[in-house]
Amino acid sequence: EVQLVESGGGLVQPGGSLRLSCAASGFTFSSYSMNWVRQAPGKGLEWVSYISSSSSTIYYADSVKGRFTISRDNAKNSLYLQMNSLRDEDTAVYYCARAGNSVVALYYWGQGTLVTVSS
Amino acid sequence: NFMLTQPHSVSESPGKTVTISCTGSSGSIASNYVQWYQQRPGSAPTTVIYEDNQRPSGVPDRFSGSIDSSSNSASLTISGLKTEDEADYYCQSYDSSNSNWVFGGGTKLTVL
Repeated sequence: EVQLVESGGGLVQPGGSLRLSCAASGFTFSSYSMNWVRQAPGKGLEWVSYISSSSSTIYYADSVKGRFTISRDNAKNSLYLQMNSLRDEDTAVYYCARAGNSVVALYYWGQGTLVTVSS
Repeated sequence: NFMLTQPHSVSESPGKTVTISCTGSSGSIASNYVQWYQQRPGSAPTTVIYEDNQRPSGVPDRFSGSIDSSSNSASLTISGLKTEDEADYYCQSYDSSNSNWVFGGGTKLTVL
């Protein structure tokens, strides 16, 4: 059974940093690209970042470019999101999502971790 | 940039059929696969349709997806509506011009 478990969320002040993790199990992690998607309270889904299976290709949404860094450790079956210079508008539930056979599809989702940016 | 537009809400009675549209802003929606996700209150999204019209195992065949190139839109059709289908539904695709994954704004389905 595919499992994605996010952790690392919490309350942080504006301008602060946080590192999210996503522990993967139930599939060959090194074979699949991964994404982070977020959802602000009461709002829709917003794609944040993509990383290919080998980390050779990385993309970011304009809203986080230059502030967030996606990475992965295939030996540890883990995905990460380093978030710096956090803003109020970064407050959201952050989900990790595994691609399907097509990298466009976000086939499996984790349960999410809440990040609150507030003073 | 490529955008996907969905109706804010739809409602229908149990046992009926509902269709949720997802219209692409430019280019051809058929250029990249469209996915549909279901999100019940307080839960993470789950995939109900991927690659335009494919159903993951465990998703009932009451759910179907299609692409209409003439209207540059995708559709999610749910037949034999059940109260458990009440949820938010999001379409999603990919913008090749800027390598961004794109979501529609979501449609709240009410089954009453």
